Amino acid sequence: DTAVSQTPKYLVTQMGNDKSIKCEQNLGHDTMYWYKQDSKKFLKIMFSYNNKELIINETVPNRFSPKSPDKAHLNLHINSLELGDSAVYFCASSQDRGHGSYNEQFFGPGTRLTVL
Amino acid sequence: GEDVEQSLFLSVREGDSSVINCTYTDSSSTYLYWYKQEPGAGLQLLTYIFSNMDMKQDQRLTVLLNKKDKHLSLRIADTQTGDSAIYFCAEASSGGGADGLTFGKGTHLIIQP
Repeated sequence: DTAVSQTPKYLVTQMGNDKSIKCEQNLGHDTMYWYKQDSKKFLKIMFSYNNKELIINETVPNRFSPKSPDKAHLNLHINSLELGDSAVYFCASSQDRGHGSYNEQFFGPGTRLTVL
Repeated sequence: GEDVEQSLFLSVREGDSSVINCTYTDSSSTYLYWYKQEPGAGLQLLTYIFSNMDMKQDQRLTVLLNKKDKHLSLRIADTQTGDSAIYFCAEASSGGGADGLTFGKGTHLIIQP
């Protein structure tokens, strides 16, 4: 059984379009994340959601909006796509045990977004 | 803010030991992690260490932590071709209960036959 799944695996689209990436976890975790990995493999956190509340929002353009319909899902919606948005986007989940506690994050397989 | 530094590439011969180094800046980090990313795949937790430990060993993996110098290392004994991957050092970001992770830039481990 897949623990953290993402769809689609590949997404190719034109500049200016709006797209969504879906993420689901079946681990019963209460916290989910989105990370962006650029072409040099550098990985940075974009968002985390805990109990349907946004906890971290790094310096991400407001064209990016996470949407969590329930605890098991955290979708990423991107408006007006730009060339620089091309990257691999990873969803992850974990069980929140409090600040400073052990926090193993389980990652999805990634969605490779290419903006033309 | 937090910063995690790693060298970008390490090349070793098959059968030798690999040592991947990492430095971090957040002295309040209680757990430090090593994640592995194989080509075309997501990240998997390889091992971790609690900040009150100096060393942790798990089969071929040895993690060393020098908290004073904020230096973490991962040693892989008897490196095999299957160990070829990107290895990320990570610490929990500050900011409340639902911590994201701050990752280093990743070390590409290249195995020579």
